[in-house]
Amino acid sequence: GNSVTQMEGPVTLSEEAFLTINCTYTATGYPSLFWYVQYPGEGLQLLLKATKADDKGSNKGFEATYRKETTSFHLEKGSVQVSDSAVYFCALSSRGFQKLVFGTGTRLLVSP
Amino acid sequence: GAGVSQSPSNKVTEKGKDVELRCDPISGHTALYWYRQSLGQGLEFLIYFQGNSAPDKSGLPSDRFSAERTGGSVSTLTIQRTQQEDSAVYLCASSQRGASSYNEQFFGPGTRLTVL
Repeated sequence: GNSVTQMEGPVTLSEEAFLTINCTYTATGYPSLFWYVQYPGEGLQLLLKATKADDKGSNKGFEATYRKETTSFHLEKGSVQVSDSAVYFCALSSRGFQKLVFGTGTRLLVSP
Repeated sequence: GAGVSQSPSNKVTEKGKDVELRCDPISGHTALYWYRQSLGQGLEFLIYFQGNSAPDKSGLPSDRFSAERTGGSVSTLTIQRTQQEDSAVYLCASSQRGASSYNEQFFGPGTRLTVL
């Protein structure tokens, strides 16, 4: 079945550091890929998405590129802020189906 | 309302009791989803509604779990004879349409269920 694997956290960074959170997936066909973010005390929010190979999703300075050859969708940001502290979930949705399959989440802690 | 709402926000119950969790989706959203977030299992899909019908119930963990949706709007997730392993945050999401093309799912704040 479909699955998502992402790096375990917490990831602890200083403000303005470079961020990478790794995500790889297993799926049949051509899934759509997503990063969701959960800020403290808030619900899940869609951060970015990519629906086909080589697409790059971007939002709020975050980027992720859909790499079919490596089945990966790593999240990157060039300079993190304290306000980026949250839990980040990688997820996929198979074409024609709507349910999301999530990774286990990675907690990011950014200190001033 | 402006977003997906869920009630109650917290529920503490005793093992063996039944509980009902409610979800109010965004007005006009025809698709509704239930997920569960627990320490041991992460975020898991439970059930998907398109209108009032549930074409995908594959994530319901046992026959103690059931859900319904009425009027194409409010949904209720019912857990009968609760067990301690049912303790989790239950999340509801809604989107404008169902399968065939992806539509962003908007999540509610969740209901934290604790079974003593």
